[in-house]
Amino acid sequence: EPEVTQTPSHQVTQMGQEVILRCVPISNHLYFYWYRQILGQKVEFLVSFYNNEISEKSEIFDDQFSVERPDGSNFTLKIRSTKLEDSAMYFCASSEAGSVYGYTFGSGTRLTVV
Amino acid sequence: KNEVEQSPQNLTAQEGEFITINCSYSVGISALHWLQQHPGGGIVSLFMLSSGKKKHGRLIATINIQEKHSSLHITASHPRDSAVYICAVSGEYGNKLVFGAGTILRVKS
Repeated sequence: EPEVTQTPSHQVTQMGQEVILRCVPISNHLYFYWYRQILGQKVEFLVSFYNNEISEKSEIFDDQFSVERPDGSNFTLKIRSTKLEDSAMYFCASSEAGSVYGYTFGSGTRLTVV
Repeated sequence: KNEVEQSPQNLTAQEGEFITINCSYSVGISALHWLQQHPGGGIVSLFMLSSGKKKHGRLIATINIQEKHSSLHITASHPRDSAVYICAVSGEYGNKLVFGAGTILRVKS
């Protein structure tokens, strides 16, 4: 069964550093998403991406964050100048043609900012 | 803004018991998703519903659009069903998911 692949599975970074989280969505999917889950809290929407541009973003997704699809397969989330409160599990997801066609989630990247 | 509420927050069951987890939401949706999250953290999609009922193995999901309510049932529960079960909805005009807080299920043998 096709999978959404995320790398790395764990990342520890110093406060103030930049991190790039990587995702390979399912190849025929058109919509891509990033979500995050702070320990003990609900999963929160960050951003959705369609047709090579952001289609929707949350209040969390401020200038510190950016997304990119640098080639035909990868989808990245960049976090600039990381803060302690950015520590969370970050999930990438993709869907074939919007949420009514179902989502596939990656296994997540656990980011720890120290 | 859609609010998603799940009940119960925690559920402990004996192996073999029939389990029901409930989800309610506040505004119209295009789809409701039931997801499973294991201790390692990964999220697996179980069902996506926009009406009626779906069944996969021992899992059954139902939705009542008029009442804005969905249930996830597990028949003949097993310790391997122990996980967090999460309800999430997508709005009528967007694709993002709004998540509930999850139900922590523990099935004892």
